[in-house]
Amino acid sequence: QVLLVESGGGLVKPGASLRLSCAASGFTFDEYYMSWIRQAPGKGLEWVSSISHSVIDTYINYADSVKGRFTTSRDNAKNSLFLQMGSLRAEDTAVYYCARVPRIAGDANVPLEADYWGQGTLVTVSS
Amino acid sequence: QSALTQPASVSGSPGQSITISCTGTSSDVGSYKFVSWYQQHPGRPPKLIIYDVSNRPSGVSDRFSGSKSGYTASLTISGLQTEDEADYYCSSYTSASTLGVFGGGTKLTVL
Repeated sequence: QVLLVESGGGLVKPGASLRLSCAASGFTFDEYYMSWIRQAPGKGLEWVSSISHSVIDTYINYADSVKGRFTTSRDNAKNSLFLQMGSLRAEDTAVYYCARVPRIAGDANVPLEADYWGQGTLVTVSS
Repeated sequence: QSALTQPASVSGSPGQSITISCTGTSSDVGSYKFVSWYQQHPGRPPKLIIYDVSNRPSGVSDRFSGSKSGYTASLTISGLQTEDEADYYCSSYTSASTLGVFGGGTKLTVL
């Protein structure tokens, strides 16, 4: 069965960096786009980024709120997805979910839906 | 990008039907059939229950159905059960961004 397991969350101070990882299993990882989606405490969902399946021609999209501070990457040989987070702010506090994206659309490769999600990892940014 | 608009809460009794609305714009719901819905129980990750406005992934109960008219998509849950009590989020493709857009979420209470 499809399994996504995030790790790397924790408590950090404003301005710090953190790297999240997502280990995938149960499907052919290099055939799927992947995304990071976050949820602030008691709030709704927000797409953070998406990354294409190929590491040769890689398409990566970011939310305006994280562009220039976060970097998404993947290692298809290790079935892993990463989110390098920098210049963290209090408003980045959230549960970060790794999710599989079965379809994309448009010239911008917009993810259409997330069909499998991990359990999430909590990132808390506080002094 | 602006979130899609959902009611904050809806409620219903077991066995009844309820509908949750999701209103967007011409950049998203109004122009595309790529609307999806997610169910989220407390402390759990979201679960995809509807995609492409009205399609159900394998294993999702047929008590869940989706539709769209104009700028508003809707999720209907028929034969309400206590386990349907959860938060529900809509999402749509948008031409205004390189990522999709979510609604603010609706808390369903089964009385």
